[in-house]
Amino acid sequence: QKEVEQDPGPLSVPEGAIVSLNCTYSNSAFQYFMWYRQYSRKGPELLMYTYSSGNKEDGRFTAQVDKSSKYISLFIRDSQPSDSATYLCAMNSASKIIFGSGTRLSIRP
Amino acid sequence: GAVVSQHPSWVICKSGTSVKIECRSLDFQATTMFWYRQFPKQSLMLMATSNEGSKATYEQGVEKDKFLINHASLTLSTLTVTSAHPEDSSFYICSVPAATNNEQFFGPGTRLTVL
Repeated sequence: QKEVEQDPGPLSVPEGAIVSLNCTYSNSAFQYFMWYRQYSRKGPELLMYTYSSGNKEDGRFTAQVDKSSKYISLFIRDSQPSDSATYLCAMNSASKIIFGSGTRLSIRP
Repeated sequence: GAVVSQHPSWVICKSGTSVKIECRSLDFQATTMFWYRQFPKQSLMLMATSNEGSKATYEQGVEKDKFLINHASLTLSTLTVTSAHPEDSSFYICSVPAATNNEQFFGPGTRLTVL
């Protein structure tokens, strides 16, 4: 079993829709949870960073962590074509970051 | 966040040759840098941790004699793919950890194609 599981997609939604991206994990020692966005042929860029269970909002993005269920989510409101990218969840383990496989998201105009 | 650059952004080489990739932290000194590899439609896999002034730490399954890492200064780490083969074709990305938390700042990546 992988430490971090993420549905690879692809996920295609119309512009303006709410997008929900999810990851599950198995290691209860993970403390920090991140979401990265990666455009094609580019390096990942950090979108959201959370430490505890609960929600964290930044503009159109909301990160949610449920440590009891070992489940994290990223919600994108009012999705735009520019949000089309691969979204990677990530979490730390002993000073290393473990990444999910990434979900390819496409927002249709 | 930190600004990280990589050079070159893409490279094509013949099988059997060696390729050097540079990773630079442009706005702060980094005693540690990370090197990742990403195959198409797959996630980032940590290859090694580059340590300034000491040997790199390699992940299990990564050949240290094939992927030579040199952390020459607090702002520069290099990854040399020696005797490259087509199966080494991949997207190589470096990152620099933040000083105060567990964030990492990634470079733009280097796409290596070995013919």
